[in-house]
Amino acid sequence: AQKVTQAQTEISVVEKEDVTLDCVYETRDTTYYLFWYKQPPSGELVFLIRRNSFDEQNEISGRYSWNFQKSTSSFNFTITASQVVDSAVYFCALSEFVSGGSYIPTFGRGTSLIVHP
Amino acid sequence: DTEVTQTPKHLVMGMTNKKSLKCEQHMGHRAMYWYKQKAKKPPELMFVYSYEKLSINESVPSRFSPECPNSSLLNLHLHALQPEDSALYLCASSQDRSSGSLDTQYFGPGTRLTVL
Repeated sequence: AQKVTQAQTEISVVEKEDVTLDCVYETRDTTYYLFWYKQPPSGELVFLIRRNSFDEQNEISGRYSWNFQKSTSSFNFTITASQVVDSAVYFCALSEFVSGGSYIPTFGRGTSLIVHP
Repeated sequence: DTEVTQTPKHLVMGMTNKKSLKCEQHMGHRAMYWYKQKAKKPPELMFVYSYEKLSINESVPSRFSPECPNSSLLNLHLHALQPEDSALYLCASSQDRSSGSLDTQYFGPGTRLTVL
């Protein structure tokens, strides 16, 4: 079973539009961590945010905002007033405690965001 | 400073060659990781080193051989690879791997490997 679902394979918007990237996760743990990473065409995965399962406060960072809702197991990411530089693949990841004493992230399949000028 | 560096950026090798990928971090992190990423797919975990010891090997073929000479360096030795091994190889590091609050992984830019 897929633990992290990013149902949107590709989203195409025009610059200045707002866009929301969906992430739904599945876990039986009460303690877990959720992440968003951005991967531009250059290839590097850039860390954007981490939330733990006990902190449902939404977060805003400039044009980026995140909506964490445990009731629906979702951790959605919104970009306000999108820009061409936002074009990238965005990965949502879930980090659970696994046997052997590790927190290893499981990545979703990614959403490719294309922002047209 | 959250920088992880990887060399080379690009590598083309034949199936009989032996080559190595290198990764370095100077953030004092004690866990380092190798991932393989095929086009349009998420990264797949290959190896995890924790305090310079191999702690996780995700059933990776023996033609990939990791090495952690010290806490800042991670190598991936390649030998007798197949064309299907062509991919982006990403290195990451985190402060620790046993505490979720410390496990945020910071990634390098990757090495694009092509096996002919």
